[in-house]
Amino acid sequence: EVQLVESGGGLVQPGGSLRLSCAASGFTFSSYWMSWVRQAPGKGLEWVANIKQDGSEKYYVDSVKGRFTISRDNAKNSLYLQMNSLRAEDTAVYYCAREPGISYAFDIWGQGTMVTVSS
Amino acid sequence: QSALTQPASVSGSPGQSITISCTGTSSDVGSYNLVSWYQQHPGKAPKLMIYEVSKRPSGVSNRFSGSKSGNTASLTISGLQAEDEADYYCCSYAGSSTLVVFGGGTKLTVL
Repeated sequence: EVQLVESGGGLVQPGGSLRLSCAASGFTFSSYWMSWVRQAPGKGLEWVANIKQDGSEKYYVDSVKGRFTISRDNAKNSLYLQMNSLRAEDTAVYYCAREPGISYAFDIWGQGTMVTVSS
Repeated sequence: QSALTQPASVSGSPGQSITISCTGTSSDVGSYNLVSWYQQHPGKAPKLMIYEVSKRPSGVSNRFSGSKSGNTASLTISGLQAEDEADYYCCSYAGSSTLVVFGGGTKLTVL
């Protein structure tokens, strides 16, 4: 079964750090671009970052540039999001998602992990 | 404020057809045939329904169809069913600087 499972979310104080993980199974992880997409409580979806199959290209939404770092370990079939200098507005459910081909669509999603930034 | 504009809500009766619009600009929807649509039920992860404007992934009902005209993309659901009640989001490639933008979402109510 094709599956993505996120972990690492939780409560963190403003200015703090958190590292999210996403474990992939059921497909050849190293063959796909991967993304993080977030959804603030009661709000819409927001693309956060993505990474090329070999990790050589990474892109970020402006609001997280310089604070978040996306990475991957193809040997462990895992995707990561290192989040530093967290702000209240980063509070959201964070989903990892697979990008098939070059269509900038997301065909497989994890169940999400909640990140709450609050003092 | 989301980059792509969707109506906040639409409604329809079982068996009817509805269309959800997604308005962007010449920098995103208007320039690329890379619009996708997602269905999200409460508390669940989004599900891909349409990609590349009008293509359906395997397993998605042919009651769902997509189209585009100029800067506006549309999702049409025909033969509405109770299980179609959900939030729907459009998404578009927006160039190498911005990359990907979503719409604000549309809540579909099946009356």
